Amino acid sequence: DVKVTQSSRYLVKRTGEKVFLECVQDMDHENMFWYRQDPGLGLRLIYFSYDVKMKEKGDIPEGYSVSREKKERFSLILESASTNQTSMYLCASSLGTGTYEQYFGPGTRLTVT
Amino acid sequence: ILNVEQSPQSLHVQEGDSTNFTCSFPSSNFYALHWYRWETAKSPEALFVMTLNGDEKKKGRISATLNTKEGYSYLYIKGSQPEDSATYLCVLSGYALNFGKGTSLLVTP
Repeated sequence: DVKVTQSSRYLVKRTGEKVFLECVQDMDHENMFWYRQDPGLGLRLIYFSYDVKMKEKGDIPEGYSVSREKKERFSLILESASTNQTSMYLCASSLGTGTYEQYFGPGTRLTVT
Repeated sequence: ILNVEQSPQSLHVQEGDSTNFTCSFPSSNFYALHWYRWETAKSPEALFVMTLNGDEKKKGRISATLNTKEGYSYLYIKGSQPEDSATYLCVLSGYALNFGKGTSLLVTP
């Protein structure tokens, strides 16, 4: 079974802190994704990566950056956390695009106070 | 970006009822349409992927159809059970990923 793990289930940070959310997948998938999920807005894509050291902006990249130094690990970075970044963050990976399904991690509930 | 609309936004049915909901999209300019089930406190899991007009998929009591010419996909659940309670997401996979906001289904005994 594909496993996608995220470093924390729950995280509480203060405004202005730098926050790292880590995601690791164990199935040698090429593609990795970061989403946030907010009530009434559904899942929104923040960033994705098709290869090591490669990144592409999604629909809402502002206030975020990412890092993919190794194939299995994709990190989401909040350079200076703000209260409007309080959300559920989901990581996913897939073998390819198109017909390939995505495998999701359990999510990180981030609260910024 | 393709605007993916899902309806209804939420649905409450009794155990044993059959139900269906819709994913609609303005263009067939995508590679595949995916349905995911997302249970509370769990990760979204893939249900079906469809690519061709007229595709039909079935898994147990759940089935889905795709009509690319008229721009919709239906998800059917026959004889709903409480364990079917979840949010059902429709995703179009093309150059970009386009997510619907989901239909939240609650099945009560």
